[in-house]
Amino acid sequence: TQLLEQSPQFLSIQEGENLTVYCNSSSVFSSLQWYRQEPGEGPVLLVTVVTGGEVKKLKRLTFQFGDARKDSSLHITAAQPGDTGLYLCAGLNTGGFKTIFGAGTRLFVKA
Amino acid sequence: ETGVTQSPTHLIKTRGQQVTLRCSSQSGHNTVSWYQQALGQGPQFIFQYYREEENGRGNFPPRFSGLQFPNYSSELNVNALELDDSALYLCASREWTGELFFGEGSRLTVL
Repeated sequence: TQLLEQSPQFLSIQEGENLTVYCNSSSVFSSLQWYRQEPGEGPVLLVTVVTGGEVKKLKRLTFQFGDARKDSSLHITAAQPGDTGLYLCAGLNTGGFKTIFGAGTRLFVKA
Repeated sequence: ETGVTQSPTHLIKTRGQQVTLRCSSQSGHNTVSWYQQALGQGPQFIFQYYREEENGRGNFPPRFSGLQFPNYSSELNVNALELDDSALYLCASREWTGELFFGEGSRLTVL
C-alpha cells in the first residue's frame, strides 16, 4: 500500500515568516501534486512535479520533487494571511490510475 | 472554476438509509474519481471510473458503489449508511497526468 506522510500536521506562524512542508513516502510515484483546500471547498491544484529533482516556483511558493521521486517539499517565502489553508500532497501511483493523498498540513498565518 | 459540479451540497441521513450523490464532470475529461474526506483528514480514494467502467478502487466496502454515464457524469451510491460515513464526498475529473479538478463536495451527515 502506498502511503504519503506529511509534516508538520499543523503550523501557525506570523506574517512574513518562511516555512517548509514535507511529503514523504517509501514508494515511487509517477508524479506528485500539491493542492490547497479552504474550508467548505474542494482542493485546488497548485502544481505537478514529474521529474526527479524537479523544482517549480509559483510566486512565493517553491516545490521540489525528490531525486528518487519518493518525496517532495513545499517552501513558502514571506507567508501572508492569504496563504492560510490546508496543503495536501498527492501522488499518482506507478500504475497511473490512482492518486492518493497525504493527511495534509494545516497552515495558519497570523497578521 | 473547475467545471465540476456536485449535488446536493449538504444532506442529512439516518443510519441504515441509502444516499446518492451526483457529479457533473469537466468537459473533455472521461475519467472521474470519488474521494471521502473525514474532518481533519486528507481525501481517501473510493473509486474511479473511466468510460463508464470502474478501473480502480480504494479500501471501501461494496456498499459504496458508483456509475458513470455516457456524458461522463457520475453517481456515488452508499447503502446501509453508518455514522462513520459522515464526511465530505469529493468528485474530481481527472487529466491523464493524474491532475484532479475537484467540485466543492457534498457534505453528508449521518445521524
